[in-house]
Amino acid sequence: EAGVAQSPRYKIIEKRQSVAFWCNPISGHATLYWYQQILGQGPKLLIQFQNNGVVDDSQLPKDRFSAERLKGVDSTLKIQPAKLEDSAVYLCASSLERNGYTFGSGTRLTVV
Amino acid sequence: AQSVTQPDIHITVSEGASLELRCNYSYGATPYLFWYVQSPGQGLQLLLKYFSGDTLVQGIKGFEAEFKRSQSSFNLRKPSVHWSDAAEYFCAVGATGGFKTIFGAGTRLFVKA
Repeated sequence: EAGVAQSPRYKIIEKRQSVAFWCNPISGHATLYWYQQILGQGPKLLIQFQNNGVVDDSQLPKDRFSAERLKGVDSTLKIQPAKLEDSAVYLCASSLERNGYTFGSGTRLTVV
Repeated sequence: AQSVTQPDIHITVSEGASLELRCNYSYGATPYLFWYVQSPGQGLQLLLKYFSGDTLVQGIKGFEAEFKRSQSSFNLRKPSVHWSDAAEYFCAVGATGGFKTIFGAGTRLFVKA
C-alpha cells in the first residue's frame, strides 16, 4: 500500500511571499488532515476534510491560509502571505475511521 | 476542554533498560487513544491505538500501552529499549472518526549505550 505523498519536502521563502503544499492521501481514505508542527511542539490540526467537504477548520488562520480538496482525493494547502511564525513542518495525514492516521513525511517550510 | 499532557520533555535510558513514557488526557467522552513515533525528518508512525476492550494494547516494535480510566492515563512501555528507538513519541486522543484528535507536545527519547 502506497503511503501518503507530500511535496515539496523543503521550501524556503521570504516573508510576504506565497507558498503551496500538495498532498496525495492513501487510496480509499476519505478523511484527510493538515497539521502544522512547530519545532518542539506536537502537531496542531489546521483543517480536516471528509471527502471534499470541510469538517473542521477552526484553527486555520483563514486570513492567510486556505486549503482545498478537489474530487475528494488530492489536497493543497496555501499560505498567502507568509509570516515568519509560519515556519514549521506541515504534515498531511489520511485515515479510515478508527484506524489512526497515516502521515506523510511532511513539508518543512522556512520563512526568512 | 480536551487536552493531552506528556509530562516528560525528554527521557534518557540505557540500551536494554525498560521504558515508560507517560501520557495523561482530559476528554469529555470515551476517548480513542494513540501513540505515535517520529524519527528526525520523518512523519509520524502509528505505534498502537486503544478504542475499547482490553486495556493493555500491544503495538509494533515491541511497544505496549495500558489505558487506566481512573487515572486518565495511557502510558507507553517497552521492556527492553534498542538504540533504534531513539525518537520523539507523541500521545494523541480523539473521538470516533478521527474528529478532534489532538496531540501532546511529545517526549524525546535518548538511548545511551
